Amino acid sequence: GAGVSQSPSNKVTEKGKDVELRCDPISGHTALYWYRQSLGQGLEFLIYFQGNSAPDKSGLPSDRFSAERTGGSVSTLTIQRTQQEDSAVYLCASRFPPTGELFFGEGSRLTVL
Amino acid sequence: AQKVTQAQTEISVVEKEDVTLDCVYETRDTTYYLFWYKQPPSGELVFLIRRNSFDEQNEISGRYSWNFQKSTSSFNFTITASQVVDSAVYFCALGPGNQFYFGTGTSLTVIP
Repeated sequence: GAGVSQSPSNKVTEKGKDVELRCDPISGHTALYWYRQSLGQGLEFLIYFQGNSAPDKSGLPSDRFSAERTGGSVSTLTIQRTQQEDSAVYLCASRFPPTGELFFGEGSRLTVL
Repeated sequence: AQKVTQAQTEISVVEKEDVTLDCVYETRDTTYYLFWYKQPPSGELVFLIRRNSFDEQNEISGRYSWNFQKSTSSFNFTITASQVVDSAVYFCALGPGNQFYFGTGTSLTVIP
């Protein structure tokens, strides 16, 4: 696609439910990043993929968070047993050359009630 | 350690004033890249500029200019004759290799 696409754009869920957030990067971009941004805060790194492998998962906040990427393209971020503190905007970005800039999607806003 | 510091959390200026957003970085890598992003109220992060560590030439793009100084590890961003549309959060980022480190952002408000 022309840009990074994320879905859903908005998700409201109840505490304890599982959620899946999807990211469709720019075609041909081999690197994919997930960040989290809480209200009024900066960008918190979650995980980075190169192809289908994740060399750096250091930012995942807990074992309730997981992510995968298939076919070197679409990535899914899964949050199990959601908590209220998981409420945030989850941003996905992709990058082609290793020295290039990140291209961001519009984000998925997650609200946990 | 890799780190980006944006000491200014919030800045307010009156329209048409010039404003400089500061960015200081730390890295042990000799090859790295620096970036600025804009996040308007709509929320989507917009790429503004990339600079590699071997190119210390300043850059100007319209009302925007960037001053990169390796001696002080700074990559500052100046908006000349600010406009209301410049109101946004601006993030500086450091990219050595595959990693990307963002500063905490500077919220700029331009008052008409």
